Amino acid sequence: GESVGLHLPTLSVQEGDNSIINCAYSNSASDYFIWYKQESGKGPQFIIDIRSNMDKRQGQRVTVLLNKTVKHLSLQIAATQPGDSAVYFCAENRGSYIPTFGRGTSLIVHP
Amino acid sequence: EAGVTQSPTHLIKTRGQQATLRCSPISGHTSVYWYQQALGLGLQFLLWYDEGEERNRGNFPPRFSGRQFPNYSSELNVNALELEDSALYLCASSRDRGQDEAFFGQGTRLTVV
Repeated sequence: GESVGLHLPTLSVQEGDNSIINCAYSNSASDYFIWYKQESGKGPQFIIDIRSNMDKRQGQRVTVLLNKTVKHLSLQIAATQPGDSAVYFCAENRGSYIPTFGRGTSLIVHP
Repeated sequence: EAGVTQSPTHLIKTRGQQATLRCSPISGHTSVYWYQQALGLGLQFLLWYDEGEERNRGNFPPRFSGRQFPNYSSELNVNALELEDSALYLCASSRDRGQDEAFFGQGTRLTVV
């Protein structure tokens, strides 16, 4: 069935390292993807998005890569900081106007 | 500019009661989405409202309902509460029917005892 999933439920990194969070999607009709960060007790916060006509987009310390051939999305965080510790969700929009979320990856940054 | 606001932040109800959750979208946003997030789980889509109409609903029983008002604010009603309804209920709004990023509120933590 159609799904948005994540390869790793938990990712532990050392402060200063780069982090890579992966996401797979199965619907080739998806044309818009968003990464959200959710800290404990808070609502998800928009990080970065990418449309299907792009394969890379950069923000401040974050980069999203989209590989449409293998239906894979990744979020790269440079120089990870303790404040980056959170659950990260990828969401896809399949043209149904409803953002569909994956299960989430917990990022733990050790000082 | 104010973000998405939800009220109340916490709500405690007993089984069988009804709960009403409220959401005010960002000014200029016409789409409102409701999601349920049970502890440790992802976001499950509940309802989507746009321009005052219910446009889609997720795989939830009919006792989950809602509406969108002319000012685009929204209510989520949960009738005949069950213990399993305990969760964080998140509201999000977007400007262009989901083709732009959806912004989330802080959520309402509903506890059913």
